[in-house]
Amino acid sequence: KAGVTQTPRYLIKTRGQQVTLSCSPISGHRSVSWYQQTPGQGLQFLFEYFSETQRNKGNFPGRFSGRQFSNSRSEMNVSTLELGDSALYLCASSSPTRQGLMNTEAFFGQGTRLTVV
Amino acid sequence: LAKTTQPISMDSYEGQEVNITCSHNNIATNDYITWYQQFPSQGPRFIIQGYKTKVTNEVASLFIPADRKSSTLSLPRVSLSDTAVYYCLVGQNYGQNFVFGPGTRLSVLP
Repeated sequence: KAGVTQTPRYLIKTRGQQVTLSCSPISGHRSVSWYQQTPGQGLQFLFEYFSETQRNKGNFPGRFSGRQFSNSRSEMNVSTLELGDSALYLCASSSPTRQGLMNTEAFFGQGTRLTVV
Repeated sequence: LAKTTQPISMDSYEGQEVNITCSHNNIATNDYITWYQQFPSQGPRFIIQGYKTKVTNEVASLFIPADRKSSTLSLPRVSLSDTAVYYCLVGQNYGQNFVFGPGTRLSVLP
């Protein structure tokens, strides 16, 4: 069974540009969550999608957005990049038994390392 | 959201048993306790999950007292490859309730 796949693995962008990151969950998983990880702030929740609907959202500015497709693949977009957006972006998928209950494990991808210069 | 408190760092030697305790005084009735392991530049990896008493798998054991206000992750006979950050999470749902604290940085020494 293939794991969670995130592309690209590494990315370098310039301030002001926008970027799109992709996440392919494990086959059959319908919940996809995104996290930002930086040395200073640790792992911070961005948003979660379930069946193409954003179900939860963290405390990030509107420059951060996402979507989920009918095949459960998800993308996140960051517009007008700032230096502080440099981070490891992680995607996690899960197969909730009932409305996303935590009694199932989440599988994380390797992440996309974004560097903004 | 149930807040968790863990030691920031721990050191151990190869072959020893390591116990990492997590406090979660405000745990709710339906909350589960889940532990993840993370190596540098990789995504977190699920280790173990429990609701009450003791849970054991091939990697670790999780001890949860009757009041559920704390939990202890036990790693038997650690090796150098167990050097990682360990996160304790408490909650019912993924998404916004899936809050990672700073974790415990475990260093296993030869």
